[in-house]
Amino acid sequence: GNSVTQMEGPVTLSEEAFLTINCTYTATGYPSLFWYVQYPGEGLQLLLKATKADDKGSNKGFEATYRKETTSFHLEKGSVQVSDSAVYFCALTGNQFYFGTGTSLTVIP
Amino acid sequence: EAGVAQSPRYKIIEKRQSVAFWCNPISGHATLYWYQQILGQGPKLLIQFQNNGVVDDSQLPKDRFSAERLKGVDSTLKIQPAKLEDSAVYLCASSPWDSLTYEQYFGPGTRLTVT
Repeated sequence: GNSVTQMEGPVTLSEEAFLTINCTYTATGYPSLFWYVQYPGEGLQLLLKATKADDKGSNKGFEATYRKETTSFHLEKGSVQVSDSAVYFCALTGNQFYFGTGTSLTVIP
Repeated sequence: EAGVAQSPRYKIIEKRQSVAFWCNPISGHATLYWYQQILGQGPKLLIQFQNNGVVDDSQLPKDRFSAERLKGVDSTLKIQPAKLEDSAVYLCASSPWDSLTYEQYFGPGTRLTVT
């Protein structure tokens, strides 16, 4: 069946550090891949998406590339800010949305 | 554009009681989803509506959970009777099309605590 595996957190980084959150998936067919972000007290928001292999999604300085050969969609940002502190969810579509367990990120000044 | 509205934001009940959650999707969105998010886990789809018809309810515990979407607009999710393991955040989301490549817009959620 379809599933998403995210790196476990929590992750704590200093401001301006490089961020990588790993996400790998198992799926039949050709799913679309997503990263959602959940800020404290708020609902999930779409951060970026990629709909086919080798596509790169990007938004607010975050990037992720759809790698079919490694079944991965790792999230990266070159320089994190305190305002990036949130929980990040990797997700894919099959016959429905499948979410990972989430990775909590805390950025300290 | 107004976002997805949910109420209440928080609810505390005792086991075996009943509870209902309400969701008002973004205007014009045909597809509505209810998710259950247990602490430390990702959201799990409970039910998906397309207009006022059910598309997928395969993971809805139908012996205690029910949901309806009258007139294809707002929706209610009910739990009767509640169990301790139902403690979670219940998320509502909507999207403009029945296509999984389109973005889902999430409400703030209702945090349910069952004691």
